[in-house]
Amino acid sequence: AQSVAQPEDQVNVAEGNPLTVKCTYSVSGNPYLFWYVQYPNRGLQFLLKYITGDNLVKGSYGFEAEFNKSQTSFHLKKPSALVSDSALYFCAVNYGNMLTFGGGTRLMVKP
Amino acid sequence: NAGVTQTPKFQVLKTGQSMTLQCAQDMNHNSMYWYRQDPGMGLRLIYYSASEGTTDKGEVPNGYNVSRLNKREFSLRLESAAPSQTSVYFCASSEAGQRNYGYTFGSGTRLTVV
Repeated sequence: AQSVAQPEDQVNVAEGNPLTVKCTYSVSGNPYLFWYVQYPNRGLQFLLKYITGDNLVKGSYGFEAEFNKSQTSFHLKKPSALVSDSALYFCAVNYGNMLTFGGGTRLMVKP
Repeated sequence: NAGVTQTPKFQVLKTGQSMTLQCAQDMNHNSMYWYRQDPGMGLRLIYYSASEGTTDKGEVPNGYNVSRLNKREFSLRLESAAPSQTSVYFCASSEAGQRNYGYTFGSGTRLTVV
């Protein structure tokens, strides 16, 4: 069975600083990995995905994620955080056409 | 395009009452899903429907039933609500058999059982 772990419940970062939200996964075979963002009182919105190819994938709102097969990780990154990036972020793995989500990480960007 | 539409957005139930959460998608997706979101636990799959006419249990199906009414609509029913079912419920849809596509989510139903 597949699983996803987000080891940090909350990440705090100052506006303008780089941010990283961590994600590790466990799945047999090739993983299809996703990041979603959830703003207050809203559904989840797709940010980016890794299917195959370049280990660095770029997504919406200036976010990117790095796939590392040896470390089974898929960390979300952004070079310069904005206050408006404050939200709940979910990592997910799709195996057998079923998404399994991590527990979520709350990102707080302070001015 | 509306995408995935959920109704109602908010609901308060008394213990033992029943209700049905409605979900409809206009993207011609084959697969639909119901998740619940609880603090610190991420999203947990309740039921899913891989295609019209089929439904299967997910991780936490107890206390729920579902109906795939047609290709567009997938409803979730609580027959006898319990306080443990207080949660935010999300419906989602996707293309069947397409692992490289993610899901499209509705905006959620916030349910409180007192």
